[in-house]
Amino acid sequence: DAGVIQSPRHEVTEMGQEVTLRCKPISGHDYLFWYRQTMMRGLELLIYFNNNVPIDDSGMPEDRFSAKMPNASFSTLKIQPSEPRDSAVYFCASTLMANTGELFFGEGSRLTVL
Amino acid sequence: DAKTTQPNSMESNEEEPVHLPCNHSTISGTDYIHWYRQLPSQGPEYVIHGLTSNVNNRMASLAIAEDRKSSTLILHRATLRDAAVYYCILRARETSGSRLTFGEGTQLTVNP
Repeated sequence: DAGVIQSPRHEVTEMGQEVTLRCKPISGHDYLFWYRQTMMRGLELLIYFNNNVPIDDSGMPEDRFSAKMPNASFSTLKIQPSEPRDSAVYFCASTLMANTGELFFGEGSRLTVL
Repeated sequence: DAKTTQPNSMESNEEEPVHLPCNHSTISGTDYIHWYRQLPSQGPEYVIHGLTSNVNNRMASLAIAEDRKSSTLILHRATLRDAAVYYCILRARETSGSRLTFGEGTQLTVNP
Protein backbone atom coordinates (compact mmCIF):
# COMPACT_ATOMS: atom_id res chain seq x y z
CA ASP A 1 0.00 0.00 0.00
CA ALA A 2 1.30 3.47 -0.89
CA GLY A 3 0.24 5.02 2.40
CA VAL A 4 -1.36 8.43 2.81
CA ILE A 5 -0.41 10.64 -0.10
CA GLN A 6 -0.31 14.42 0.17
CA SER A 7 0.33 17.08 -2.42
CA PRO A 8 1.99 19.41 -2.92
CA ARG A 9 4.95 18.61 -0.65
CA HIS A 10 6.02 22.24 -0.69
CA GLU A 11 4.16 25.39 -1.62
CA VAL A 12 5.27 28.98 -1.51
CA THR A 13 2.64 31.60 -2.17
CA GLU A 14 1.94 35.23 -1.56
CA MET A 15 -0.44 36.64 0.98
CA GLY A 16 -3.97 36.80 -0.34
CA GLN A 17 -3.64 33.86 -2.71
CA GLU A 18 -5.79 30.74 -2.50
CA VAL A 19 -4.05 27.57 -1.39
CA THR A 20 -5.38 24.04 -1.90
CA LEU A 21 -3.79 21.07 -0.19
CA ARG A 22 -4.73 17.55 -1.24
CA CYS A 23 -4.83 14.20 0.48
CA LYS A 24 -5.44 10.64 -0.64
CA PRO A 25 -6.07 8.38 2.38
CA ILE A 26 -5.21 4.71 2.57
CA SER A 27 -7.76 2.67 0.66
CA GLY A 28 -10.47 1.27 2.92
CA HIS A 29 -9.90 3.71 5.77
CA ASP A 30 -13.04 5.46 6.96
CA TYR A 31 -11.56 8.29 9.04
CA LEU A 32 -9.51 11.17 7.71
CA PHE A 33 -7.80 13.88 9.77
CA TRP A 34 -6.16 17.19 8.93
CA TYR A 35 -3.46 18.43 11.35
CA ARG A 36 -1.31 21.54 11.28
CA GLN A 37 2.17 21.76 12.84
CA THR A 38 4.03 24.92 13.79
CA MET A 39 6.92 25.57 16.15
CA MET A 40 4.73 27.71 18.37
CA ARG A 41 1.65 25.51 18.65
CA GLY A 42 2.89 22.01 17.85
CA LEU A 43 0.52 19.55 16.18
CA GLU A 44 -3.08 20.75 16.13
CA LEU A 45 -6.10 18.85 14.87
CA LEU A 46 -8.02 21.02 12.42
CA ILE A 47 -10.87 18.78 11.27
CA TYR A 48 -11.74 15.13 10.81
CA PHE A 49 -14.14 13.17 8.66
CA ASN A 50 -15.89 9.83 9.07
CA ASN A 51 -17.19 8.19 5.90
CA ASN A 52 -16.64 11.48 4.05
CA VAL A 53 -18.75 13.48 6.53
CA PRO A 54 -17.11 16.21 8.64
CA ILE A 55 -17.46 15.24 12.31
CA ASP A 56 -15.55 17.92 14.18
CA ASP A 57 -14.22 21.12 12.64
CA SER A 58 -13.71 22.97 15.91
CA GLY A 59 -9.99 23.17 15.27
CA MET A 60 -10.34 25.09 12.02
CA PRO A 61 -8.83 28.47 12.84
CA GLU A 62 -11.28 30.69 10.98
CA ASP A 63 -13.57 31.01 8.01
CA ARG A 64 -10.64 31.32 5.64
CA PHE A 65 -10.11 27.60 6.12
CA SER A 66 -12.38 24.99 4.57
CA ALA A 67 -12.09 21.25 4.04
CA LYS A 68 -14.00 18.84 1.86
CA MET A 69 -14.08 15.13 1.25
CA PRO A 70 -16.07 14.51 -1.93
CA ASN A 71 -15.35 10.77 -1.87
CA ALA A 72 -13.57 8.13 0.15
CA SER A 73 -10.29 8.54 -1.69
CA PHE A 74 -9.80 12.30 -1.74
CA SER A 75 -9.85 15.30 0.55
CA THR A 76 -8.85 18.95 0.21
CA LEU A 77 -7.94 21.66 2.67
CA LYS A 78 -8.36 25.13 1.25
CA ILE A 79 -7.16 28.47 2.59
CA GLN A 80 -8.61 31.56 0.99
CA PRO A 81 -7.19 34.15 1.34
CA SER A 82 -3.90 32.93 2.76
CA GLU A 83 -1.92 34.91 5.35
CA PRO A 84 1.69 34.64 6.56
CA ARG A 85 0.53 33.17 9.89
CA ASP A 86 -0.86 30.19 7.97
CA SER A 87 2.70 29.10 7.22
CA ALA A 88 3.04 25.60 8.66
CA VAL A 89 3.29 21.94 7.78
CA TYR A 90 -0.13 20.44 7.14
CA PHE A 91 -0.53 16.71 7.72
CA CYS A 92 -3.26 14.42 6.60
CA ALA A 93 -3.86 11.12 8.41
CA SER A 94 -6.27 8.23 8.03
CA THR A 95 -7.40 5.21 9.99
CA LEU A 96 -10.04 2.51 10.18
CA MET A 97 -12.85 2.68 12.74
CA ALA A 98 -12.10 -0.82 13.93
CA ASN A 99 -8.50 0.17 14.49
CA THR A 100 -7.76 0.68 18.14
CA GLY A 101 -5.05 3.20 17.82
CA GLU A 102 -2.93 3.48 14.73
CA LEU A 103 -3.19 6.69 12.76
CA PHE A 104 -1.32 6.69 9.46
CA PHE A 105 0.15 10.07 8.54
CA GLY A 106 1.24 11.43 5.22
CA GLU A 107 4.55 13.19 4.76
CA GLY A 108 2.96 16.60 5.01
CA SER A 109 2.63 19.72 2.89
CA ARG A 110 4.93 22.56 3.89
CA LEU A 111 3.22 25.88 3.22
CA THR A 112 5.02 29.20 3.21
CA VAL A 113 2.95 32.34 2.78
CA LEU A 114 5.02 35.44 2.04
CA ASP B 1 -8.39 14.76 26.85
CA ALA B 2 -6.35 13.91 29.95
CA LYS B 3 -2.91 15.54 30.05
CA THR B 4 0.47 13.86 29.79
CA THR B 5 3.84 15.16 31.00
CA GLN B 6 7.10 14.22 29.32
CA PRO B 7 10.66 15.51 29.62
CA ASN B 8 11.50 18.00 26.89
CA SER B 9 14.61 16.11 25.83
CA MET B 10 16.68 13.00 26.48
CA GLU B 11 19.97 11.65 25.23
CA SER B 12 21.12 8.14 24.64
CA ASN B 13 24.04 6.30 23.13
CA GLU B 14 23.74 4.07 20.13
CA GLU B 15 23.00 0.40 20.88
CA GLU B 16 22.00 1.15 24.48
CA PRO B 17 18.45 0.85 25.84
CA VAL B 18 16.36 3.98 26.16
CA HIS B 19 13.57 4.50 28.67
CA LEU B 20 11.24 7.37 27.81
CA PRO B 21 8.92 8.29 30.71
CA CYS B 22 5.43 9.71 30.61
CA ASN B 23 3.28 10.83 33.51
CA HIS B 24 -0.50 10.81 33.19
CA SER B 25 -1.82 11.13 36.72
CA THR B 26 -5.34 12.13 35.57
CA ILE B 27 -5.80 9.10 33.33
CA SER B 28 -9.25 7.56 33.43
CA GLY B 29 -9.98 3.86 33.51
CA THR B 30 -10.91 3.76 29.84
CA ASP B 31 -8.03 5.80 28.42
CA TYR B 32 -5.59 4.07 26.11
CA ILE B 33 -1.91 5.09 26.23
CA HIS B 34 -0.47 5.73 22.79
CA TRP B 35 3.07 6.49 21.66
CA TYR B 36 3.98 8.08 18.37
CA ARG B 37 7.27 9.38 17.10
CA GLN B 38 8.16 11.97 14.52
CA LEU B 39 11.43 11.75 12.63
CA PRO B 40 12.83 14.96 11.12
CA SER B 41 10.81 16.21 8.15
CA GLN B 42 8.30 13.36 8.38
CA GLY B 43 4.80 12.85 9.67
CA PRO B 44 4.20 11.19 13.04
CA GLU B 45 4.53 7.43 13.09
CA TYR B 46 2.71 4.99 15.36
CA VAL B 47 4.96 3.17 17.80
CA ILE B 48 2.80 1.27 20.29
CA HIS B 49 -0.25 1.52 22.51
CA GLY B 50 -1.72 -0.23 25.54
CA LEU B 51 -4.43 -0.11 28.16
CA THR B 52 -3.33 -1.93 31.31
CA SER B 53 -0.84 -4.65 30.50
CA ASN B 54 2.69 -4.22 29.22
CA VAL B 55 2.95 -4.47 25.45
CA ASN B 56 5.72 -5.50 23.08
CA ASN B 57 6.07 -5.12 19.35
CA ARG B 58 8.87 -5.06 16.83
CA MET B 59 9.61 -1.39 17.48
CA ALA B 60 9.45 -1.07 21.24
CA SER B 61 7.98 -2.12 24.57
CA LEU B 62 5.46 -0.25 26.67
CA ALA B 63 5.61 -0.65 30.43
CA ILE B 64 2.51 0.62 32.24
CA ALA B 65 2.57 1.28 35.97
CA GLU B 66 0.15 -0.72 38.08
CA ASP B 67 -1.85 2.41 38.96
CA ARG B 68 -1.66 3.51 35.29
CA LYS B 69 -0.52 6.99 36.29
CA SER B 70 2.70 6.63 34.38
CA SER B 71 4.19 4.62 31.57
CA THR B 72 7.58 4.08 29.95
CA LEU B 73 8.42 3.53 26.32
CA ILE B 74 11.44 1.24 26.02
CA LEU B 75 13.66 1.12 22.96
CA HIS B 76 15.80 -1.92 23.56
CA ARG B 77 18.77 -0.91 21.42
CA ALA B 78 18.79 2.67 20.20
CA THR B 79 19.99 3.38 16.70
CA LEU B 80 20.75 6.70 15.07
CA ARG B 81 17.48 6.31 13.19
CA ASP B 82 15.57 6.41 16.48
CA ALA B 83 16.43 10.10 16.94
CA ALA B 84 13.01 11.72 16.89
CA VAL B 85 10.36 13.48 18.94
CA TYR B 86 8.38 10.91 20.94
CA TYR B 87 4.79 11.72 21.88
CA CYS B 88 2.85 10.07 24.70
CA ILE B 89 -0.88 10.52 24.15
CA LEU B 90 -4.00 9.42 25.98
CA ARG B 91 -7.04 8.46 23.95
CA ALA B 92 -10.44 7.91 25.49
CA ARG B 93 -11.83 4.53 24.47
CA GLU B 94 -15.06 6.11 23.32
CA THR B 95 -13.22 8.55 21.06
CA SER B 96 -14.06 7.81 17.49
CA GLY B 97 -11.46 6.81 14.98
CA SER B 98 -8.33 7.49 16.99
CA ARG B 99 -8.80 11.23 17.39
CA LEU B 100 -5.48 12.14 19.04
CA THR B 101 -4.30 15.29 20.79
CA PHE B 102 -0.52 15.71 20.61
CA GLY B 103 1.52 17.45 23.31
CA GLU B 104 5.09 18.68 23.03
CA GLY B 105 6.79 15.30 23.28
CA THR B 106 10.37 14.32 24.15
CA GLN B 107 13.19 15.07 21.73
CA LEU B 108 15.45 12.00 21.76
CA THR B 109 19.05 12.47 20.67
CA VAL B 110 21.07 9.32 19.94
CA ASN B 111 24.83 9.69 20.09
CA PRO B 112 27.04 7.47 17.94
